[in-house]
Amino acid sequence: DQQVKQNSPSLSVQEGRISILNCDYTNSMFDYFLWYKKYPAEGPTFLISISSIKDKNEDGRFTVFLNKSAKHLSLHIVPSQPGDSAVYFCAASEGSGNTGKLIFGQGTTLQVKP
Amino acid sequence: DVKVTQSSRYLVKRTGEKVFLECVQDMDHENMFWYRQDPGLGLRLIYFSYDVKMKEKGDIPEGYSVSREKKERFSLILESASTNQTSMYLCASTESLANEQFFGPGTRLTVL
Repeated sequence: DQQVKQNSPSLSVQEGRISILNCDYTNSMFDYFLWYKKYPAEGPTFLISISSIKDKNEDGRFTVFLNKSAKHLSLHIVPSQPGDSAVYFCAASEGSGNTGKLIFGQGTTLQVKP
Repeated sequence: DVKVTQSSRYLVKRTGEKVFLECVQDMDHENMFWYRQDPGLGLRLIYFSYDVKMKEKGDIPEGYSVSREKKERFSLILESASTNQTSMYLCASTESLANEQFFGPGTRLTVL
């Protein structure tokens, strides 16, 4: 039973445009959410996180939005760059992240075309 | 800069072999994790450890065990490798359970 779902396996956008990656979750106890980026032959690297007490968090070109009622979060990348091409995983945790147990989605492969 | 290293990038083993995957972190982190990554399933937690000689089962511990004799080293053991354990194995560490986890480059294990 997949508690965190990324229903789009892949996404292709033009350089300079916005990339929107989506993530849905089913467990209402999740209260801390993270996005990781993974290049081929490398481990995932942390990108941005959001606590359930917020509905938006920004870091440069990356913004994460959280809609608790819909159990949905999204990652916006503006403007998209070719170097953003990677697999993006969303992850969720209970207990404000203090359990250390992250539940990951399946991943979305983003391709940014020059 | 946090560095998490894994002993092998690629490994090929035969069914029934005992397999050791090693992970070392250099930032004195308390917490270490082992995941496997499979297409369509994302990353799934196998085991984690929040202190030396301590271990906790993750979501898919069956067929695996772990060892944490020193703070910087966390080993994943496949007692008797099977073909369904062919996967990418990722190790991670974090200073505090509430912080983001830092990942190693992964070990691609193939069991024939």
